[in-house]
Amino acid sequence: EVQLVESGEGLVQPGSSMKLSCVASGFTFSNYGMNWIRQAPKKGLEWIALIYYDSSSKYYADSVKGRFTISRDNSKNTLYLEMNSLRSEDTAMYYCAKGSSKLDWGQGVMVTVSS
Amino acid sequence: NTVMTQSPTSMFTSVGDRVTMSCKASQNVGINVGWYQQKTGQSPKRLIYWASNRDTGVPDRFTGSGSGTDFTLTISNMQAEDPAIYYCLQHNSYPRTFGGGTKLELK
Repeated sequence: EVQLVESGEGLVQPGSSMKLSCVASGFTFSNYGMNWIRQAPKKGLEWIALIYYDSSSKYYADSVKGRFTISRDNSKNTLYLEMNSLRSEDTAMYYCAKGSSKLDWGQGVMVTVSS
Repeated sequence: NTVMTQSPTSMFTSVGDRVTMSCKASQNVGINVGWYQQKTGQSPKRLIYWASNRDTGVPDRFTGSGSGTDFTLTISNMQAEDPAIYYCLQHNSYPRTFGGGTKLELK
């Protein structure tokens, strides 16, 4: 069974940085592309980043390009999202998701950006 | 970027009804569309992949169809456990994009 467990949730001030992690189990992590997707309170889903299985390519939504960095450590079955220059509009539930087409989702972690 | 437009944004239905919701892409995405169900307080769950393939364990009352720019999710016999927000997602190009969702509620 696919399991994706995000961590790193919290409250941060605008302009600060934060790093999320997602530990994967139940599948061969190094074989799959991985995503970060977010959902602002009472809003829809927004895809924000994808990394290839071997980290050879990374793609970002325009809303986070240049501020967020997706990375992975296949030896630790872990996906990361480094978030810099955080804004209030980055407040959301952040989900990691397995796959480049057929997504399996974690339970999500809440990131709140507020002064 | 490919814009995915879902309609209606919300709908009320009754148990036993046939429900149809639409997802339109702003450009040709082939069959590179999935449908996801999100119940209140939960993370999304995949229902349909590659436009028309039902995931293992998904009841056969859920059917996806379409290709190119027009996609449909149909629930043939609405059940009490089906109220949720349903999202389409295109994975034909980057950035990936979701539709705005269709909120399905019981009368």
